[in-house]
Amino acid sequence: GIQVEQSPPDLILQEGANSTLRCNFSDSVNNLQWFHQNPWGQLINLFYIPSGTKQNGRLSATTVATERYSLLYISSSQTTDSGVYFCAVSLAGGTSYGKLTFGQGTILTVHP
Amino acid sequence: DTGVSQNPRHKITKRGQNVTFRCDPISEHNRLYWYRQTLGQGPEFLTYFQNEAQLEKSRLLSDRFSAERPKGSFSTLEIQRTEQGDSAMYLCASSLAMRSYEQYFGPGTRLTVT
Repeated sequence: GIQVEQSPPDLILQEGANSTLRCNFSDSVNNLQWFHQNPWGQLINLFYIPSGTKQNGRLSATTVATERYSLLYISSSQTTDSGVYFCAVSLAGGTSYGKLTFGQGTILTVHP
Repeated sequence: DTGVSQNPRHKITKRGQNVTFRCDPISEHNRLYWYRQTLGQGPEFLTYFQNEAQLEKSRLLSDRFSAERPKGSFSTLEIQRTEQGDSAMYLCASSLAMRSYEQYFGPGTRLTVT
């Protein structure tokens, strides 16, 4: 099956710093999503970004599908950004469409 | 709030007991997914339904696990003869079939098997 690798596994920042999280995947995908899992376990959709660049406030994401990676940028980090960030992908076609394969996550801790 | 809901939120059970979890998806969503997340790992796909049809099951879903979605609305996930290795967070998500890239997750049910 498809492999998803995220780096770094852990990231500690001071409030106000910027960061870049990376997601590498082993096969062609037609769905790539970034999620934030808060300390209570809730997964929140951040971006649907199978290719190209999107921005939403202090967050932006870029996926280079031909090179099989995606980047999540967090600018001017805040303590509320703390949690685990997951990249998840799915393959196109058939009955597998929509089944997400998640990476191991990046644990982000933002200190005041 | 009409998001995905899951019940119970927490369940503690003794090894060998049966447990059942419920997921209520967003009302107009016809796809429903179950995932399992163990400590320090990303969620892993278990199974999904389109309406009442179970279209795919992971190899992780042993014969002790069964999922149903009668009438294409809520879904239940039952684990029989629980083992300590079943301790995990069980997550449910839903989406429209034509927008399966927008999966909305519930808060999860945390299972602890003692």
